[in-house]
Amino acid sequence: TQLLEQSPQFLSIQEGENLTVYCNSSSVFSSLQWYRQEPGEGPVLLVTVVTGGEVKKLKRLTFQFGDARKDSSLHITAAQPGDTGLYLCAGGWAGGTSYGKLTFGQGTILTVHP
Amino acid sequence: DTAVSQTPKYLVTQMGNDKSIKCEQNLGHDTMYWYKQDSKKFLKIMFSYNNKELIINETVPNRFSPKSPDKAHLNLHINSLELGDSAVYFCASSQAGGIRYEQYFGPGTRLTVT
Repeated sequence: TQLLEQSPQFLSIQEGENLTVYCNSSSVFSSLQWYRQEPGEGPVLLVTVVTGGEVKKLKRLTFQFGDARKDSSLHITAAQPGDTGLYLCAGGWAGGTSYGKLTFGQGTILTVHP
Repeated sequence: DTAVSQTPKYLVTQMGNDKSIKCEQNLGHDTMYWYKQDSKKFLKIMFSYNNKELIINETVPNRFSPKSPDKAHLNLHINSLELGDSAVYFCASSQAGGIRYEQYFGPGTRLTVT
């Protein structure tokens, strides 16, 4: 069974601070995705990384895939209240089948105070 | 245009009842999923269909029966509802092939069993 450990579970910070969310596993994933979910809505895909060591930037968000494709991090620079939400990492793998599936981390609830 | 839609948005019912949730996607994807998100925000896959064929069936009680009339629709029927079935159920879709496994989620159906 593929497991993804996401930390921290809760993060409460002031506007302008930096933060990092981690996603770790003992398993190798074909891809790693980060989603953001707002209350009353479904998760929305932010980014997908597929190559070990890959770094992607989305404005103030920086995503990194570990060299061994077992872990990932999300770093937010100068957080803003609009960044508040639930952040989910998800590892994609085929598990020997022809069809991929996602294993989700437990999620990080981020609150950015003005 | 809504990419992945679900109905109803809210469902309140009593124990023992039978209920259905409907999902439709207009993204042209060939794979659809049902996820359950519990009160701790953990997202777990329940079922997946590819071109109307069941390809993922996690450990879900037999009271849950998915049906896919065509590749754009995936419905979930739940018999003899129990208190523990209360959760938010998300439909998602993706395009099979490759290793990215990116999924697009609907807005969710909040099921409350009393």
